[in-house]
Amino acid sequence: DQQVKQNSPSLSVQEGRISILNCDYTNSMFDYFLWYKKYPAEGPTFLISISSIKDKNEDGRFTVFLNKSAKHLSLHIVPSQPGDSAVYFCAASSGTYKYIFGTGTRLKVLA
Amino acid sequence: DGGITQSPKYLFRKEGQNVTLSCEQNLNHDAMYWYRQDPGQGLRLIYYSQIVNDFQKGDIAEGYSVSREKKESFPLTVTSAQKNPTAFYLCASSIDSVYGYTFGSGTRLTVV
Repeated sequence: DQQVKQNSPSLSVQEGRISILNCDYTNSMFDYFLWYKKYPAEGPTFLISISSIKDKNEDGRFTVFLNKSAKHLSLHIVPSQPGDSAVYFCAASSGTYKYIFGTGTRLKVLA
Repeated sequence: DGGITQSPKYLFRKEGQNVTLSCEQNLNHDAMYWYRQDPGQGLRLIYYSQIVNDFQKGDIAEGYSVSREKKESFPLTVTSAQKNPTAFYLCASSIDSVYGYTFGSGTRLTVV
């Protein structure tokens, strides 16, 4: 049973436009969420986080939105750049050390 | 520079052999983790350890073993009992759940 789902395996966006990556979860006990970015043959790198007491967190070009009632979070990248092309994973935790990861969305930013 | 180091980057193993993947961190993190990445399946947790000399099974622990004798080190052994060992293996560490993980650069294991 996949507790964290990223239903879009891939996404293509024109350079300069907004990229929106989505993530859904089923466990209402999740209270902390992370987004990671991963290039091929490398480990994921942390991008941005959000706790369940907030509905938005912003860091530069990256903004994460959390809708607890819908059990949905999204990552917005504005403006998108070719260097943003990577696989993005969302991850969720219920206050323990253990995170559950989604299956990832491959973002391709077209120049 | 603090970080987490996985070695080797590429590893080939013959069927029926055990192999050990190394993971070392100098971040002074208490918790360490092993994940496996397969195409279309995201990252799946194999084992994790919150403190030295203690570790717990993750979602797909069968065919794997770990040890945590030192805070800095969390080696993963892929045994011959693991039916589909070919994958990309990622080690991570964390200071606590709030700050998330720092990942190593991964080891690609291929069984030949």
